[in-house]
Amino acid sequence: ETGVTQTPRHLVMGMTNKKSLKCEQHLGHNAMYWYKQSAKKPLELMFVYNFKEQTENNSVPSRFSPECPNSSHLFLHLHTLQPEDSALYLCASSQDGTNLYEQYFGPGTRLTVT
Amino acid sequence: GIQVEQSPPDLILQEGANSTLRCNFSDSVNNLQWFHQNPWGQLINLFYIPSGTKQNGRLSATTVATERYSLLYISSSQTTDSGVYFCAVESYNTDKLIFGTGTRLQVFP
Repeated sequence: ETGVTQTPRHLVMGMTNKKSLKCEQHLGHNAMYWYKQSAKKPLELMFVYNFKEQTENNSVPSRFSPECPNSSHLFLHLHTLQPEDSALYLCASSQDGTNLYEQYFGPGTRLTVT
Repeated sequence: GIQVEQSPPDLILQEGANSTLRCNFSDSVNNLQWFHQNPWGQLINLFYIPSGTKQNGRLSATTVATERYSLLYISSSQTTDSGVYFCAVESYNTDKLIFGTGTRLQVFP
């Protein structure tokens, strides 16, 4: 596998379920990001991890819980979501968390909350 | 925070036509990227171009940082160019990549 991969690609879950999104990067990068893309809205940054430390939480509700066990893997744990959380969730990585390097994105997980 | 505006919001072309997409931003930046989002949602890196001009095949981009805009040129467009084109910037005082609202391009045969 090359680049940034995400699983699952599609997920349908009820409001009482608990699920996790997984992201893996094969680029040797040290920073990883979660973004949310809702219909007709710009991409919104959710979380940033730089060298496994969370450096940004963009006022995300606590029903979204990120985890970064190492520089190559990033998870987004989901629980008691709302229908308005339905969106495309994109993971990205970059060389580090400064603004000097371009970010590379995975294919996304399309989440539907019923 | 920094504002990013893209124009036009929608663009319809016939195959073979050329087009110019524009990105205006409200503050100095040291990171600017152009992406193409395909119909399946994948964001594909086109250019990392905080300043200057770059070309890659039928695509080229120019960023004039002092005037706070960037242009993406698509020449001899193909149906596979369809999708949404995003400009994203990071300013000097933030580590956040801020996205514009995109230009939706449709290329018909």
